[in-house]
Amino acid sequence: GNSVTQMEGPVTLSEEAFLTINCTYTATGYPSLFWYVQYPGEGLQLLLKATKADDKGSNKGFEATYRKETTSFHLEKGSVQVSDSAVYFCALMATSGTYKYIFGTGTRLKVLA
Amino acid sequence: KAGVTQTPRYLIKTRGQQVTLSCSPISGHRSVSWYQQTPGQGLQFLFEYFSETQRNKGNFPGRFSGRQFSNSRSEMNVSTLELGDSALYLCASSLAGLAGSYEQYFGPGTRLTVT
Repeated sequence: GNSVTQMEGPVTLSEEAFLTINCTYTATGYPSLFWYVQYPGEGLQLLLKATKADDKGSNKGFEATYRKETTSFHLEKGSVQVSDSAVYFCALMATSGTYKYIFGTGTRLKVLA
Repeated sequence: KAGVTQTPRYLIKTRGQQVTLSCSPISGHRSVSWYQQTPGQGLQFLFEYFSETQRNKGNFPGRFSGRQFSNSRSEMNVSTLELGDSALYLCASSLAGLAGSYEQYFGPGTRLTVT
């Protein structure tokens, strides 16, 4: 079945450091891929998405590229801020069949000033 | 457009009681999904409703049930509450493919505490 694997957290970085959070997936066909972010005490917010191979999603300085050959969708940001401290979830949705969302386990990011 | 709203935001119940949570999706969204989030188990899918029909279901016992009304608003019910049901319950709505859009939009959640 479909699945998403994210790197274990927590990830602790200093402000202005480079961020990578790894995400790989297993799916049949061509799923859509998403990154969501959850700030303390809130629900999840869509951060970015990609719907086909080689698409790059970007938002608020974050980027992720849909790599079908490596089945990956790694999240990157060139310079993190304290305000980026949150939990990040990678997710996929099969665009045929069940249309069911599959979420990764989440990666907690802590950015220190 | 107004976002996804969930009521109540906080709830304290006693073991054995039952509870109903409500979710109002974004206007025009026909799909509503429910998730349980706990520190130990992460984000777990409960079920999804699309046009008043349950389209997908997660691996939860029958004590967890839901429904969707004709205006797309949804409720979930948990009967015979157990301590382990304490969690943040999140609702998400989606266009479910309309205009090629599949992304889910989440509400702020209902924090349920069972004592």
